[in-house]
Amino acid sequence: DVVMTQTPPSLSVAIGQSVSISCKSSQSLVYSDGKTYLHWLLQSPGQSPKLLIYQVSNLGSGVPDRFSGTGSQKDFTLKISRVEAEDLGVYYCVQATHFPPFTFGSGTKLEIK
Amino acid sequence: EVQLVESGGGLVKPGSSLKLSCVASGFTFSSYGMHWIRQAPKKGLEWIALIYYDSSNKYYADSVKGRFTISRDNSKNTLYLEMNSLRSEDTAMYYCATTTGDYWGQGVMVTVSS
Repeated sequence: DVVMTQTPPSLSVAIGQSVSISCKSSQSLVYSDGKTYLHWLLQSPGQSPKLLIYQVSNLGSGVPDRFSGTGSQKDFTLKISRVEAEDLGVYYCVQATHFPPFTFGSGTKLEIK
Repeated sequence: EVQLVESGGGLVKPGSSLKLSCVASGFTFSSYGMHWIRQAPKKGLEWIALIYYDSSNKYYADSVKGRFTISRDNSKNTLYLEMNSLRSEDTAMYYCATTTGDYWGQGVMVTVSS
């Protein structure tokens, strides 16, 4: 199974600052079709997860462009520019290249200072 | 408005069975593969099952293989998860979601306890 290592486990940031979250996979996430099926989700408090970014760098529907995703092969980063209060919650990366199983990172809890 | 609404959860004893449903509306359900994903209390997300849009393929996590069965009825816009031989470690919030990740249900709680 592909292991997804997500860091840091938590971070605290002031409104307006920028943050980055790292996600590393135990093997390359490039599929045979050339695409990389690495996605990012946000689970706000008491809510279901929501898709933020799909296939490394594509914004989900309605997701503000303060969110961006980069990376390749085994190393990926989610960046949030100009953090807003509504961004608090737990961020997960998930790989859908090598399944079953689909595997999630352990999550990064974002708190607002 | 797109909706995925799960139901069928509850408190059951170890060894019991339960069947979850996920009713879809507001999008073409029959065009989407569907996942069941769960989250134990205070824990992260765990994928447990996938079914293709036409039921041609089904996949399971090792933790539920042989005990859980995913199915769907496209005529009823409904996804199911039949859970047998339930264990305490199956206690979790269960979410249905499209394979694109665009749509998630609100979740249904399953508690397995004596």
